[in-house]
This record gives sequence, C-alpha cells and structure tokens, in this order.
Amino acid sequence: DTAVSQTPKYLVTQMGNDKSIKCEQNLGHDTMYWYKQDSKKFLKIMFSYNNKELIINETVPNRFSPKSPDKAHLNLHINSLELGDSAVYFCASSRASSYNSPLHFGNGTRLTVT
Amino acid sequence: TQLLEQSPQFLSIQEGENLTVYCNSSSVFSSLQWYRQEPGEGPVLLVTVVTGGEVKKLKRLTFQFGDARKDSSLHITAAQPGDTGLYLCAGAGNSGYALNFGKGTSLLVTP
Repeated sequence: DTAVSQTPKYLVTQMGNDKSIKCEQNLGHDTMYWYKQDSKKFLKIMFSYNNKELIINETVPNRFSPKSPDKAHLNLHINSLELGDSAVYFCASSRASSYNSPLHFGNGTRLTVT
Repeated sequence: TQLLEQSPQFLSIQEGENLTVYCNSSSVFSSLQWYRQEPGEGPVLLVTVVTGGEVKKLKRLTFQFGDARKDSSLHITAAQPGDTGLYLCAGAGNSGYALNFGKGTSLLVTP
C-alpha cells in the first residue's frame, strides 16, 4: 500500500543515454512534483503538475521532459544524460497545489551517470 | 527564490542531550514545514507552522515559528538514536505552488 512509488530505485547509465523514471501515487492527490537532491542533500524543485497540467518548470535543461498521462502518474524522461545529472530524484505528491499542502515523497531514484 | 538557511549543517551528540536547529530567511513565509529524511528514503513531514509565534509539540520535538514568520526552530529534548536523520525546513516559493527547501541539518545521535 505504498503511497508514492517510483521506479527504478537505482539507475546506472553512461553519458549520452536516454532514461526514464516512473512515479505513481495512490493517494488521490491532484498535484505531483519532481525534486532533485544533489550530493550535498540540497532538494530543488524541478517540475510540478496539477491535474496533468504543468504549473511549475524551474530552470531545468530541456533534456528533462516530464509526462503526466493521468493525475496519478508523473514520469520523468531524461535525454542525452550528462555527468552532472547524477543525483537522487524524488517524486512527490500533495492534495492541492497550495503551499500549505504537505508533500508525500517517494523513496527516490539514485541516478549515476558514468 | 526565497532562500532558507539552516544551521548547524551537521550535529553529532550523545543520547540524552538536548539540541536546537534553526531555519532562517530574510523573506516572510505564510507557513513553514519541517521534514525528516532517513538514509535511502524520502523526506517525511513532521509539522506545519502557520501563525507567527506558534509553538507545536510532537512528543520530544518542539517547533516554533518566529513572530515575523521569517524563521523557525526545532528543539529536541533528550535525543535518542532514532532521532538520527536529515532535518529539512521548507517554505512556499514565490510561485506559491512549490516548496523551497533549506539545505538541511544532518543529526547523528550516538548511544
């Protein structure tokens, strides 16, 4: 009965490859997010979707493309991977898109680009 | 981007000690949230503070929101090894739709 699940847990790939990370939430939430956590544990917002519509796109390279087939899923596709993309990527969801709504996080996907 | 500064960055204490971690900003926040993250897992919400001067207690954890709603503190009484983790504060960004996180305080409590 995992609330926010993301796959895979670990992803090791070479520079230049294209990879995807999947995320699903079974909480019935309207809003989903992707955050990137760097090696210093800093969590930075990348994207936010509300009912399948993109509402936040921070300054992320366009090699990163989120896709939301329905409001329970938000996948992240990354083209032409670079060494600097290595990080832990967290998917999260919240009931509403307002700032008071607590975030429910998945357990992260550790991406290593070699 | 509204920046949140957390201090200390690292804290290593013995079981039974008390500690306080701080979250400061030059910006005013409508609310602040505190999360704890354990290795290999995502952050988990501990509390949300909304009103200036508000104090909330969660067992041995006491959270306070500054009167001006620019800062917050987390005080842990009689720390236990189970309190070990990364403590993150978060406030709404300028867009109002997503949380900006501080860089966290990494706490280690040894028996």
